[in-house]
Amino acid sequence: EIVLTQSPGTLSLSPGERATLSCRASQSVSSSYLAWYQQKPGQAPRLLIYDASSRATGIPDRFSGSGSGTDFTLTISRLEPEDFAVYYCQQYSTSPWTFGQGTKVEIK
Amino acid sequence: QLQLQESGPGLVKPSETLSLTCTVSGGSISSSSYYWGWIRQPPGKRLEWIGNIYYSGSTYYNPSLKSRVTISVDTSKNQFSLRLSSVTAADTAVYYCARWGGDYGDYGFHYWGQGTLVTVSS
Repeated sequence: EIVLTQSPGTLSLSPGERATLSCRASQSVSSSYLAWYQQKPGQAPRLLIYDASSRATGIPDRFSGSGSGTDFTLTISRLEPEDFAVYYCQQYSTSPWTFGQGTKVEIK
Repeated sequence: QLQLQESGPGLVKPSETLSLTCTVSGGSISSSSYYWGWIRQPPGKRLEWIGNIYYSGSTYYNPSLKSRVTISVDTSKNQFSLRLSSVTAADTAVYYCARWGGDYGDYGFHYWGQGTLVTVSS
């Protein structure tokens, strides 16, 4: 099973700042089959990025994904008030599909 | 707009079977482009993939749950279902149903139900 470890656990930033979230895999994620989701309290996750760097339909271009192999990054270029949430990465290259433990982006 | 809605008991006794149904509206579950999945999230913990089903009935399960899980599809009702047997308190979680695959064949869980909390307790 591929274990995904996200860092940091919590990111305290102000609106307008840049957020950089990391997702590290215990083994290589083939074909960059990695997704990022945003989850707000009491809501279902929302897909942001798939295939490591492709934005899902309707996702603002301030969200970008990068990486390959075992190291992946989600970047939010300028935080908007609605971006404060928990972010999860997910790999779908190897069964079982697995999720990271999440990074909380909170208002500083 | 595609919508998914989970339904089923919110309280299940230990050792019994958890049963949930996901009703899909605004689109056909019989499309060859998508898989339909179940994901759960124990309180305060990470998301856990349970398994997927294709409209034809082909299933893919998380090995850690495979001995206890059955996912089935009813295309006539545009629904798919989850059964998890021999539940314990560790199965307490919010259960989500979701569609794997976007409108353009892209990967990812693009559409999600709102989630339903299932508590395992006597």
